[in-house]
Amino acid sequence: SQQGEEDPQALSIQEGENATMNCSYKTSINNLQWYRQNSGRGLVHLILIRSNEREKHSGRLRVTLDTSKKSSSLLITASRAADTASYFCATDDSNSGYALNFGKGTSLLVTP
Amino acid sequence: DTGVSQDPRHKITKRGQNVTFRCDPISEHNRLYWYRQTLGQGPEFLTYFQNEAQLEKSRLLSDRFSAERPKGSFSTLEIQRTEQGDSAMYLCASSRNLGGNEQYFGPGTRLTVT
Repeated sequence: SQQGEEDPQALSIQEGENATMNCSYKTSINNLQWYRQNSGRGLVHLILIRSNEREKHSGRLRVTLDTSKKSSSLLITASRAADTASYFCATDDSNSGYALNFGKGTSLLVTP
Repeated sequence: DTGVSQDPRHKITKRGQNVTFRCDPISEHNRLYWYRQTLGQGPEFLTYFQNEAQLEKSRLLSDRFSAERPKGSFSTLEIQRTEQGDSAMYLCASSRNLGGNEQYFGPGTRLTVT
């Protein structure tokens, strides 16, 4: 079964707007990662936040982590059409060589 | 290009045939992972290697699936007697030998079983 669940499943915004995606997970984690997958392309790592961190920034991305609620959010500011993709959160399993457990993803559409 | 590569990118096969996919990880990465992704879902873990040793297999990996990583370099994933339910994108990823590192994914092999 998949560990993470993203919300919403789909999101449509206009260029320049901010996009927020949420992720909930079930068990305790070492860290949580966000990945992006464009249509027809592989997964690209965006950002990793460790369990002892609460917030992390990378360019236009901001990730928060609330371990008490077992949830994380990804904020993309000033979105661009090129941000159109599916976004997945993933937690790792130290019992399986840190294999990743992905959610079903949020499909983001950014229109010009 | 020093990223993860996979071959072939697409494979169409008839039910009952065997197929083999190849993954070339980033050269200095010790860990190699295989995942399967179906439409509308996130990737699901299949198996992973630490160098040449296969250390974990998920319950998704039936007896028809086998993976190898000879000499700890490239890896192959073979599916025997393919079934229509095996149709999916098969993704390979590699990472450094440290806990909780980001994984670098290849473009995937899309398998269609007719």
